[in-house]
Amino acid sequence: DSGVTQTPKHLITATGQRVTLRCSPRSGDLSVYWYQQSLDQGLQFLIQYYNGEERAKGNILERFSAQQFPDLHSELNLSSLELGDSALYFCASSVLDRVSPLHFGNGTRLTVT
Amino acid sequence: GESVGLHLPTLSVQEGDNSIINCAYSNSASDYFIWYKQESGKGPQFIIDIRSNMDKRQGQRVTVLLNKTVKHLSLQIAATQPGDSAVYFCAERNTGTASKLTFGTGTRLQVTL
Repeated sequence: DSGVTQTPKHLITATGQRVTLRCSPRSGDLSVYWYQQSLDQGLQFLIQYYNGEERAKGNILERFSAQQFPDLHSELNLSSLELGDSALYFCASSVLDRVSPLHFGNGTRLTVT
Repeated sequence: GESVGLHLPTLSVQEGDNSIINCAYSNSASDYFIWYKQESGKGPQFIIDIRSNMDKRQGQRVTVLLNKTVKHLSLQIAATQPGDSAVYFCAERNTGTASKLTFGTGTRLQVTL
């Protein structure tokens, strides 16, 4: 068990809808990272927060946004969902504001129908 | 669940034999490397890491070798067990984007009895 908790485990929704994915980092970790894993693209970095502030952005669509709260948990919001957004979404955490290494949760499987 | 595309390279190894999983990285500015194991339905699990100022690091039953000259990384698993069956990813951190891990496409390890 990595200590990173993600909810929900599975999410099924329709195109055009909006969903929120939640992540609690390991105790003591200040950085939260979001990754997307799809069949044809592998693991892709989306965004990183450190102690409540956005630190780095990857291949994150404008329809997606994230935030990290004072208690360090993070939420990833996905809106105007499209079929192609169906994927596994992973949260990872680390102590520092840089990869050192990352510890991943078990992901949220999003299915857009 | 599935972790990457349908065309993952696969390594089949007999139980008790040693496994060697290879990874080529592209960025000579990468300074830190990690091997992850991903089992079905779970997130990537940290196995071992290595910094670019080293060429070898050993853990419990695993060894990572780094050859910076040819930008090659390998993971050796001694006395492979059925529980080692999973997809293995190498990941690299670029000094210029220290918040981001770039993942390889993965190798599926199948352990036969």
